[in-house]
Amino acid sequence: AQTVTQSQPEMSVQEAETVTLSCTYDTSENNYYLFWYKQPPSRQMILVIRQEAYKQQNATENRFSVNFQKAAKSFSLKISDSQLGDTAMYFCAFMSPGANSKLTFGKGITLSVRP
Amino acid sequence: GAGVSQSPSNKVTEKGKDVELRCDPISGHTALYWYRQSLGQGLEFLIYFQGNSAPDKSGLPSDRFSAERTGGSVSTLTIQRTQQEDSAVYLCASSERVGLAGRLSFGPGTRLLVL
Repeated sequence: AQTVTQSQPEMSVQEAETVTLSCTYDTSENNYYLFWYKQPPSRQMILVIRQEAYKQQNATENRFSVNFQKAAKSFSLKISDSQLGDTAMYFCAFMSPGANSKLTFGKGITLSVRP
Repeated sequence: GAGVSQSPSNKVTEKGKDVELRCDPISGHTALYWYRQSLGQGLEFLIYFQGNSAPDKSGLPSDRFSAERTGGSVSTLTIQRTQQEDSAVYLCASSERVGLAGRLSFGPGTRLLVL
């Protein structure tokens, strides 16, 4: 079974600064997907970024980028130029491709952006 | 277009009572998932539906939990004889098809409190 670990329960960053959220996972599979989801106070989960394990290039979405280290099974999220609207819980998630795919989530990290 | 909607937004019930939580997925989405988010925990997979296939119930924590999806659209999650440990946010998500690389659209959740 796959596991996803987010060891930092919370972090804080100054507005306009850069912050990195950590995530590690465990799997015996070679092909899979990794995700970061954001959950603002409204509770609605939003997909931030997605990485396919067979792609060596790190995914980037505007101010959000990942550092995917497949051998180390590490998948960190970097948020550049942090904005107040980035304040939320962030969940790292793993998914195996296949007919019965479902996401396995970490426990999440609470990020606070200070003005 | 309209996103995933869930009702009620909040539910308070007494221990031992039954509750029904409703999810309206995005029109045309064939896959539907239920997750549970307990305080301080990540998202725990409960059940998913894909078209007319038999649902994957592997995440349901006990036989007090059941779910159905009528006409391939609306889904209802039922918890019988609720217990205090059932208190959590119940999130529904849908996607165009199972395994579409984890691109789930989540609803805002139902916060359940069992007294």
